[in-house]
Amino acid sequence: AQKVTQAQTEISVVEKEDVTLDCVYETRDTTYYLFWYKQPPSGELVFLIRRNSFDEQNEISGRYSWNFQKSTSSFNFTITASQVVDSAVYFCALSGTGANSKLTFGKGITLSVRP
Amino acid sequence: SAVISQKPSRDICQRGTSLTIQCQVDSQVTMMFWYRQQPGQSLTLIATANQGSEATYESGFVIDKFPISRPNLTFSTLTVSNMSPEDSSIYLCSVDPGWNGYTFGSGTRLTVV
Repeated sequence: AQKVTQAQTEISVVEKEDVTLDCVYETRDTTYYLFWYKQPPSGELVFLIRRNSFDEQNEISGRYSWNFQKSTSSFNFTITASQVVDSAVYFCALSGTGANSKLTFGKGITLSVRP
Repeated sequence: SAVISQKPSRDICQRGTSLTIQCQVDSQVTMMFWYRQQPGQSLTLIATANQGSEATYESGFVIDKFPISRPNLTFSTLTVSNMSPEDSSIYLCSVDPGWNGYTFGSGTRLTVV
């Protein structure tokens, strides 16, 4: 069975601080995909990144960066120089392939960025 | 990425009634997924809908309560039957277009009174 653990439930930072959101996953699949989604107060789910299990390169997109480490089954997300607009719930998710392609979500992390 | 039109966006329903939620995708997709997000909670998969076959339900969800239709490769409906206040949630449909992240509909906010 697939499992995603987001041990942090709520994080509060002051604007311009860096913040890292942790994600640990469990799967028996050799091919799998990891995702991060943002859910702002408006409720829609915003796709941030998709990473496959064979690509351990870290990725940077503007103020966002992701650190994928298979050795520790972690896929952490860092926001640099946080802004108030980053306030949202962030979900880490995992999917397999084929018949196991459904997304399994972590419980989410509520990030509050204070001005 | 695929674009999903989901409706209604919200509804307030009386207990004991049923509500049907529709999702229309702008491209053909093999699988569509239905999720429930209870207040303050994460997303939980209800079922996976393949065109031409019966939906596959996750543990804790049954067809009599959440019947699903998938008449073609771009459309699906989820019905929440015999509703109770515990069914008050956001319901979302999702597809995997295969080249990016899973796309989600904007959600249906259901309140059962």
